[in-house]
Amino acid sequence: DGGITQSPKYLFRKEGQNVTLSCEQNLNHDAMYWYRQDPGQGLRLIYYSQIVNDFQKGDIAEGYSVSREKKESFPLTVTSAQKNPTAFYLCASNSISTDTQYFGPGTRLTVL
Amino acid sequence: AQSVTQPDIHITVSEGASLELRCNYSYGATPYLFWYVQSPGQGLQLLLKYFSGDTLVQGIKGFEAEFKRSQSSFNLRKPSVHWSDAAEYFCAVGRLTGTASKLTFGTGTRLQVTL
Repeated sequence: DGGITQSPKYLFRKEGQNVTLSCEQNLNHDAMYWYRQDPGQGLRLIYYSQIVNDFQKGDIAEGYSVSREKKESFPLTVTSAQKNPTAFYLCASNSISTDTQYFGPGTRLTVL
Repeated sequence: AQSVTQPDIHITVSEGASLELRCNYSYGATPYLFWYVQSPGQGLQLLLKYFSGDTLVQGIKGFEAEFKRSQSSFNLRKPSVHWSDAAEYFCAVGRLTGTASKLTFGTGTRLQVTL
């Protein structure tokens, strides 16, 4: 089946540790995105990438880093510099032809 | 800058009743508009979208939305709600930048359905 997968579904991290969230898509989409969701705040854009080896900061990029070495993959690293990393993280992708973003199932990150 | 307002944080309706979720947007040109639905702990599922043309758009699960430029609104409607429609609903406005579409989301409306 085509789609977007995110792993793990739940992730626990100690303060001061970096952690990497996985996002893979087999839809042959060009662009990929990372959002953060907090209760009552909707979704906020962290980073996005239009093509391999290129990415741009979104509205809340501080404390996060990404890479795009393959078209299918767009991992997000939450660094120790992120002051409040506990949240639900959503990955999305879209193709040029549809201009519509499709979302993965999300990863819930909890900092202990 | 684009923005989206969903004025209702929480709505409760009885099963079988009609539903309207409000969405107002701010955007300098013709917007791309979307409604997504999210069940607890899940990702977002696209309900419908408006790019151009007919201002009344049909989506999945019996939902529809009407684009009203004069009111900067894109309200979501359903004539008869089912208990399975209980979820959180997000309106979004988008714009193209290169090959990417940048979306701005509202803060969501949580729908509760009573039996």
